[in-house]
Amino acid sequence: GDSVTQMEGPVTLSEEAFLTINCTYTATGYPSLFWYVQYPGEGLQLLLKATKADDKGSNKGFEATYRKETTSFHLEKGSVQVSDSAVYFCALRGDNAGKSTFGDGTTLTVKP
Amino acid sequence: DGGITQSPKYLFRKEGQNVTLSCEQNLNHDAMYWYRQDPGQGLRLIYYSQIVNDFQKGDIAEGYSVSREKKESFPLTVTSAQKNPTAFYLCASRDRQGRNEKLFFGSGTQLSVL
Repeated sequence: GDSVTQMEGPVTLSEEAFLTINCTYTATGYPSLFWYVQYPGEGLQLLLKATKADDKGSNKGFEATYRKETTSFHLEKGSVQVSDSAVYFCALRGDNAGKSTFGDGTTLTVKP
Repeated sequence: DGGITQSPKYLFRKEGQNVTLSCEQNLNHDAMYWYRQDPGQGLRLIYYSQIVNDFQKGDIAEGYSVSREKKESFPLTVTSAQKNPTAFYLCASRDRQGRNEKLFFGSGTQLSVL
């Protein structure tokens, strides 16, 4: 079945540092890929998405490129802020249109 | 504003008791989902429904039940058969017509055992 593997956390960075959170996936067919963000005590919000190979999703300075050859969708940001502290989830939606599969989440803490 | 409302925010269950978590959406979405989140873990699918009066088991359905009598509502009952119910429960919905559409999430219910 489908699966998503995320870089283990927690990740602690200083403000303005470069961020990478790795995500790889296993799926049949041509899944859509997503990054969601969760702030403490809240539900998840979509951060960005990509629907086909070589697509780049971007939002709020975050970017991720759909790499079919390496089955990856790594999240990057050039300069993180304290307000970026949250839990980040990589997810895919495969050919089974009803279900999404999530990674375990990576907790990011950014210190001033 | 359109969105998903989960209630209550916090819920406590006594031994042997069934409790029901509410999820209401006004997004006119066909598909709705219940996920369980444990600390440090990802989301695990409990049940999902792609249309009114129909629902399917997810990966961890044992000890849970749902109903989908109205498009807007997808309540989750945590039964006494669920021996480890303490977790954060998230309800989500999606526009079924758009294959690539994102999930919209509620703000969650934290369930604890007394």
